[in-house]
Amino acid sequence: EVQLVESGGGWVQPGRSLRLSCAASGFSFDDYAMYWVRQAPGKGLEWVSGISWNGDTIAYADSVKGRFTVSRDNAKNSLHLQMNSLRTEDTALYYCAKDDSSGSYFVDYWGQGTLVTVSS
Amino acid sequence: DIQMTQSPPSLSASVGDRINITCRASQNIRMFLNWYQQKPGKAPKLLIYAASSFQSGVPSRFSGSGSGTDFTLTISSLQPEDFATYYCQQSYYAPLTLTFGGGTKVEVK
Repeated sequence: EVQLVESGGGWVQPGRSLRLSCAASGFSFDDYAMYWVRQAPGKGLEWVSGISWNGDTIAYADSVKGRFTVSRDNAKNSLHLQMNSLRTEDTALYYCAKDDSSGSYFVDYWGQGTLVTVSS
Repeated sequence: DIQMTQSPPSLSASVGDRINITCRASQNIRMFLNWYQQKPGKAPKLLIYAASSFQSGVPSRFSGSGSGTDFTLTISSLQPEDFATYYCQQSYYAPLTLTFGGGTKVEVK
């Protein structure tokens, strides 16, 4: 069974940093691209970042480019999101998500999310 | 950047109704369009990929159609468990980049 478990969320002041992690199990992690998708309270889904199976290809939303860094450790089946210079508008539930690997880029499994609150 | 516009933003319907949710892309995305369902407090769930292919386990009352810029998600006979928010998503032009529509909330009439 595919499982994605996010951790690392919490409350942080504007301008500070936070590092999210996602522990993956139930599939061959190093065969799949992965994503971070966020959802602000009461709002829709917003893609944040994607990373290829080997980390060679990475993409970011314009809203986080230059502030967030995605990485993966295939030996530990883990995905990470380093978030720097956080803003109040980064407040959201952050989902870790698995690509289906067909080459069409969509999500077939989601974690339950970790909540990030940026507030003074 | 490609924009995805869903309509309506919300709709009220009754159990047994047939409903259509539309998604329009600002550029041609061929059939690279996917649909998700999200219930309150839960993660999204993939329903339809590649415009019209069913994800395993999705009831046959759900169907997807369209290509190019205009797409439709149809629920043929709405069930109580279908009241949720639905999102379309494209990823045609840029690898690893997901663009979501704004969502359509299906509520009880």
